[in-house]
Amino acid sequence: AQSVTQLGSHVSVSEGALVLLRCNYSSSVPPYLFWYVQYPNQGLQLLLKYTTGATLVKGINGFEAEFKKSETSFHLTKPSAHMSDAAEYFCAVSESGNQFYFGTGTSLTVIP
Amino acid sequence: NAGVTQTPKFQVLKTGQSMTLQCAQDMNHNSMYWYRQDPGMGLRLIYYSASEGTTDKGEVPNGYNVSRLNKREFSLRLESAAPSQTSVYFCASSPITGTGNTEQFFGPGTRLTVL
Repeated sequence: AQSVTQLGSHVSVSEGALVLLRCNYSSSVPPYLFWYVQYPNQGLQLLLKYTTGATLVKGINGFEAEFKKSETSFHLTKPSAHMSDAAEYFCAVSESGNQFYFGTGTSLTVIP
Repeated sequence: NAGVTQTPKFQVLKTGQSMTLQCAQDMNHNSMYWYRQDPGMGLRLIYYSASEGTTDKGEVPNGYNVSRLNKREFSLRLESAAPSQTSVYFCASSPITGTGNTEQFFGPGTRLTVL
């Protein structure tokens, strides 16, 4: 079975600072990779996804992620954090499409 | 489009009671899913339905049953609720069966407490 590891269950950054949320996956075949965001008391929303092609993927709200096959990583970044970015972020992976495997989540706090 | 809707939003049960969580999507998606979310454990798949008329177990199916009533609706039933089933339950749907590049669309969740 797939597994997804998100390093750091809580990350704090200052407003305007770089956001880096880490995700590593295990897969024997090229996977499909996703980042979702969850605001308090809401469902998950897709930030971005990697399928095939360009390894740098741009998403909504200024986020992007880079697929590095050699490192089995798909880290999420944003150059400048905004207060509205405070949320929980989940990395997910899928091979066949019928099952998605989620990481345990990273809670992002943005300090004014 | 309402997207994915779930009812109820909140529910409190006593141990041993039964209930059904309802989910509906209006996006004509083939696949539907039920997850539970617990602190520090991310989302864990309970059951999924790749298409109308089919259902399959996920990672944590024990204590649950599902029904894919039609293409729009996918319900989750707790026959005899236990405190370990206290969680937030999310329903999701996705449009394509069998490929891995499909995003999932999530409902707002149901917060269930079992006393």
